[in-house]
Amino acid sequence: QSVLTQPPSVSGAPGQRVTISCIGSSSSIGAGFDVNWYQQPPGTAPKLLIYGNTNRPSGVPDRFSGSKSVTSASLAITGLQAEDEADYYCQSYDSSLSGYVFGTGTKVTV
Amino acid sequence: QLQVQESGPGPVKPSETLSLTCTVSGGSISSNSYYWGWIRQPPGRGLEWIGSIYYSGGAYYNPSLKSRVTISVDTSKNQFSLRLSSVTAADTAVYYCARHDVTNDVFDIWGQGTMVTVSS
Repeated sequence: QSVLTQPPSVSGAPGQRVTISCIGSSSSIGAGFDVNWYQQPPGTAPKLLIYGNTNRPSGVPDRFSGSKSVTSASLAITGLQAEDEADYYCQSYDSSLSGYVFGTGTKVTV
Repeated sequence: QLQVQESGPGPVKPSETLSLTCTVSGGSISSNSYYWGWIRQPPGRGLEWIGSIYYSGGAYYNPSLKSRVTISVDTSKNQFSLRLSSVTAADTAVYYCARHDVTNDVFDIWGQGTMVTVSS
């Protein structure tokens, strides 16, 4: 039921910068709903990484940053570290579906 | 520090009802700023929002599951619960409970999740 599209995987060397896109529609991101990002290391529960498009919860390193455009959003990870290997999901609200939606997920490999 | 923890009876047979409970500790479920939600993740797949409930009992559900889902709250026990009826193998998943900050529309605190297998 995912209506937020992400690339299946991205990879980078330690220290590099990677970005993950999240493409929505006119009824989700394009309608002005905020985008949140979650990190899910293997075998663990998701953890909130970015909320309200660009905000980091306390304790999240500033290597992680979020941005939002018209109908899409992006997560950037700079100074890639081995511990960043995880699945990453974007999340927003879709007015046509009348519910909260998650992205398809992106596996980051370091 | 607020925590949420899922609990449930284990495997469920097809056509039966799946029941899970989430216990909130380190804080009150009766907070004005938060709903309490359920999200699931089938093996090897992505996340799906099931529904969210306020401490007063008002709930809203994923329309694709609405006909089979009931979420309830027990403020005296600081718990909320999920019931999913007429389950099939497609309902096999890790089920997470989470605090739902409706001010920012974000699930900010998650439980560790509990695996529910639907099998005869």
